[in-house]
Amino acid sequence: QKEVEQDPGPLSVPEGAIVSLNCTYSNSAFQYFMWYRQYSRKGPELLMYTYSSGNKEDGRFTAQVDKSSKYISLFIRDSQPSDSATYLCAMKMTTDSWGKLQFGAGTQVVVTP
Amino acid sequence: DAGVTQSPTHLIKTRGQQVTLRCSPKSGHDTVSWYQQALGQGPQFIFQYYEEEERQRGNFPDRFSGHQFPNYSSELNVNALLLGDSALYLCASSSGGGSYEQYFGPGTRLTVT
Repeated sequence: QKEVEQDPGPLSVPEGAIVSLNCTYSNSAFQYFMWYRQYSRKGPELLMYTYSSGNKEDGRFTAQVDKSSKYISLFIRDSQPSDSATYLCAMKMTTDSWGKLQFGAGTQVVVTP
Repeated sequence: DAGVTQSPTHLIKTRGQQVTLRCSPKSGHDTVSWYQQALGQGPQFIFQYYEEEERQRGNFPDRFSGHQFPNYSSELNVNALLLGDSALYLCASSSGGGSYEQYFGPGTRLTVT
């Protein structure tokens, strides 16, 4: 079993819809949670990061962490065709003194005009 | 403000050969991490360099080695290339060694034939 699980999709939504993405994890030592966006054949771009539980909002993006369920989510409101990309969740353990991030496999999102 | 840069963009090598990839971190960052991303997968942590030393290593064989220079730039070396080493190699920069806030470069796509 992988430590970080993410549905690969693809997830297809019409323009203007809400995109809902999620990851589950198995190790409760994960305390730092990140979402990256990766366009085809490009490097990942850091979208948002959160520590421990709770919600964080940045423009059209909302990240949620539910540590009791070991479940994190990313919501994209008013989706645009330019949001079409692969979204990667990443996590880091507090027990880890250095910077190893563990990633999910990524979910491909397609926003159709 | 220059972001993370990597060179070369693409590389084709033959099985058994050796390759060197290069990375310059974002201005103000002193830590470099390397990741391998196979097609359709999330990035996998190779190792991290801070203060010119390898601080943490993922589950990769000794064929993978690296170096960090006094100006914080870094190299990734892979010896005795295997077909399975074909992937996108990503460099991420951060500040202070243990940060979860990592910024990725565009990657080097390595093809081993």
